[in-house]
Amino acid sequence: DAGITQSPRHKVTETGTPVTLRCHQTENHRYMYWYRQDPGHGLRLIHYSYGVKDTDKGEVSDGYSVSRSKTEDFLLTLESATSSQTSVYFCAISDGGGALNTDTQYFGPGTRLTVL
Amino acid sequence: QKEVEQNSGPLSVPEGAIASLNCTYSDRVSQSFFWYRQYSGKSPELIMSIYSNGDKEDGRFTAQLNKASQYVSLLIRDSQPSDSATYLCAVDGNTGFQKLVFGTGTRLLVSP
Repeated sequence: DAGITQSPRHKVTETGTPVTLRCHQTENHRYMYWYRQDPGHGLRLIHYSYGVKDTDKGEVSDGYSVSRSKTEDFLLTLESATSSQTSVYFCAISDGGGALNTDTQYFGPGTRLTVL
Repeated sequence: QKEVEQNSGPLSVPEGAIASLNCTYSDRVSQSFFWYRQYSGKSPELIMSIYSNGDKEDGRFTAQLNKASQYVSLLIRDSQPSDSATYLCAVDGNTGFQKLVFGTGTRLLVSP
């Protein structure tokens, strides 16, 4: 596995509470991504980062914010969790060393989040 | 809205047979195509990438791309029970960043 860890791996929280998920990489890759995976929807991009403090929105960014203060860490925050944010969240990284369109994304182990 | 379509399956094949997985995409400017395998409860892992029309072989896996018809397929020869997983097709929209769009995946079951 690429050196990617996610924490926590499982979390149960209540509606309205803030939640922060962490992605940590040891590969020194420039690009980092947050996806959510839901039955019937597949993987959907939430936010991505192309460098320290450089982030942008993906397909399903509403209700989520991100921060990247160090190359190795990419944080995903749910400011006020809702039941619709119950999902499995995956972090991915890529080095962008070649042409971006051929860059390979490696996925972390995932975080299962349940919002009651 | 870019879309990637896959038959959800399950696709059932006997051990030793060829499994054929298909994917269609809507965005004609897409240039990069990826197949990921995901075991239940695990994270996706890349098994093949393809960028040019035609076939690309890697061991028991062959990816096929036809940009004119906007489809990409994955063939698995000599299928093994360990190949039983969900296969995700992903397409890059040539946006300058690798913002992949994933299909919902095809579940493959290989019976001994």
